[in-house]
Amino acid sequence: DAGITQSPRHKVTETGTPVTLRCHQTENHRYMYWYRQDPGHGLRLIHYSYGVKDTDKGEVSDGYSVSRSKTEDFLLTLESATSSQTSVYFCAISAQEGIQYFGAGTRLSVL
Amino acid sequence: QQQVKQSPQSLIVQKGGISIINCAYENTAFDYFPWYQQFPGKGPALLIAIRPDVSEKKEGRFTISFNKSAKQFSLHIMDSQPGDSATYFCAAYGGATNKLIFGTGTLLAVQP
Repeated sequence: DAGITQSPRHKVTETGTPVTLRCHQTENHRYMYWYRQDPGHGLRLIHYSYGVKDTDKGEVSDGYSVSRSKTEDFLLTLESATSSQTSVYFCAISAQEGIQYFGAGTRLSVL
Repeated sequence: QQQVKQSPQSLIVQKGGISIINCAYENTAFDYFPWYQQFPGKGPALLIAIRPDVSEKKEGRFTISFNKSAKQFSLHIMDSQPGDSATYFCAAYGGATNKLIFGTGTLLAVQP
């Protein structure tokens, strides 16, 4: 998975609890992305980063925040998880525009 | 205008047959069109990609056909094999967004 590690790989949590997903890369790529994958919707961009402390919103950013304090780490936080955030979350990295490499994903269930 | 429409949603093909997946886009500023392959429990992996200055790109059994005037592109898998069974996503990149816009995916099943 192109030097990308997502953790945890699986998580079950309760509604209203905070959740943080981590993406770690060893490729020193500038761009990092968080997507969610749901049946019938494909991959939808949540947030992305174009450098340390430089982030921007994607198309489904409500209820999510991100942080990037180091080139290699990109954190996705659900401040107060809801059942609608049950999904599979993928991190991706990119050094070249348009070419993205994906991690193995985190399966999150919010009960 | 930022959408990429993908069809069919699912596809069943016999071993040795040709699998065809179609995508259409609206934004003429898109300038890079990759296809991703995803196996169950794995992340999507880049399969093949094309830029709009060519009409076709072939890599092994996988071919992208691109029709700029119609704003459509398609993936052809020749001599489909059971190991090709996966979900395929088309995507488009470019314009002011600098983001990849994905189609909704096609679940391909190749029957032995």
